[in-house]
Amino acid sequence: DAKTTQPNSMESNEEEPVHLPCNHSTISGTDYIHWYRQLPSQGPEYVIHGLTSNVNNRMASLAIAEDRKSSTLILHRATLRDAAVYYCILSRGDNNDMRFGAGTRLTVKP
Amino acid sequence: KAGVTQTPRYLIKTRGQQVTLSCSPISGHRSVSWYQQTPGQGLQFLFEYFSETQRNKGNFPGRFSGRQFSNSRSEMNVSTLELGDSALYLCASSWTLFGGAYEQYFGPGTRLTVT
Repeated sequence: DAKTTQPNSMESNEEEPVHLPCNHSTISGTDYIHWYRQLPSQGPEYVIHGLTSNVNNRMASLAIAEDRKSSTLILHRATLRDAAVYYCILSRGDNNDMRFGAGTRLTVKP
Repeated sequence: KAGVTQTPRYLIKTRGQQVTLSCSPISGHRSVSWYQQTPGQGLQFLFEYFSETQRNKGNFPGRFSGRQFSNSRSEMNVSTLELGDSALYLCASSWTLFGGAYEQYFGPGTRLTVT
């Protein structure tokens, strides 16, 4: 299974943009890049996903490198409610099996 | 639309007992996946059910089993509980088996404590 590598932790100031990196050098052509986040005492929450092109939604943007070996989740203006563990996951297009890594713990400072 | 619900939310069992956890997916979703989350191992995939059939299985012993009913509700069972089974058990639902292109929706989890 292709794996992802993320920093263990990152800090951000409130109302500033946050760029969360993810390396996935062994990604295959059929792997989708998913991002989920988990707030304390809650189940994971879907953030965004993409295959090859950059993606935007109301929560965040996903920038995918041209060779797809890395991606970056962009939170445009961090709020205190964005403090969570963010998981970058590769998911094959033919099943729902998601292999979570350790994720990045994002701390947002007021 | 109601989200994924899991019951019970908290459970305390004794080593050697068995336990059954329940998950009701979002209406219209036919896929239910189960995950175990522990501080040491993180989130680990247990198995997935789609249209009452197990489609995919993670690397867990046979003590962990599950099933899915015709209304897509799913249960997972752990027999002969061990202390190491203490964890947060999460279920996720999706409308399709071909999940890579689509998001999954997670429930709040069942916190199982084995004493």
